[in-house]
Amino acid sequence: AQSVAQPEDQVNVAEGNPLTVKCTYSVSGNPYLFWYVQYPNRGLQFLLKYITGDNLVKGSYGFEAEFNKSQTSFHLKKPSALVSDSALYFCAVRDGRNNDMRFGAGTRLTVKP
Amino acid sequence: ETGVTQTPRHLVMGMTNKKSLKCEQHLGHNAMYWYKQSAKKPLELMFVYSLEERVENNSVPSRFSPECPNSSHLFLHLHTLQPEDSALYLCASSQGGATYNEQFFGPGTRLTVL
Repeated sequence: AQSVAQPEDQVNVAEGNPLTVKCTYSVSGNPYLFWYVQYPNRGLQFLLKYITGDNLVKGSYGFEAEFNKSQTSFHLKKPSALVSDSALYFCAVRDGRNNDMRFGAGTRLTVKP
Repeated sequence: ETGVTQTPRHLVMGMTNKKSLKCEQHLGHNAMYWYKQSAKKPLELMFVYSLEERVENNSVPSRFSPECPNSSHLFLHLHTLQPEDSALYLCASSQGGATYNEQFFGPGTRLTVL
């Protein structure tokens, strides 16, 4: 079965600095990879996904993620963080052969002014 | 708003009560999901419905009983729950048939079992 690891519970960055939220995955077949964000008292919102093709994926709100097959990673990045980016971020992986989406435990991003 | 609504937003129930959670999606999707979100744990997929048929049931205790009367509505019936069932229950939908389609989530129901 597929699995996802988000090695950092918490990431703190200063506003205007670049941010990275890490994600590694394990899957038998071809991976479909996703990033979601959750603001307080809200459900998860889709940010971006990797299916195939270009390893650098661009998504909503200026976020991007790089698929690295050799390192089985899919780190989320943004060149310049905003205070409003502070939220809980979830990485997820889906094996192309089934309906099971596996989520990581989440990383809380705090952007300080 | 994401087009997926959930009611109620908050629910407090005793261990002997019976209650139901409701989810409705207005996106024209044909797959719906129930997830359990507990603090500092990965989201747990509970049930998947595709074209109104249950296709996934991840070893969820029988005190949780899903129902999908049509492609727009999903229910989670609860009875004789335990305190450890307290969590945020999230509903999601997607356009099924392709596993690379993203899911759209509702705001969740915060459940507290006393």
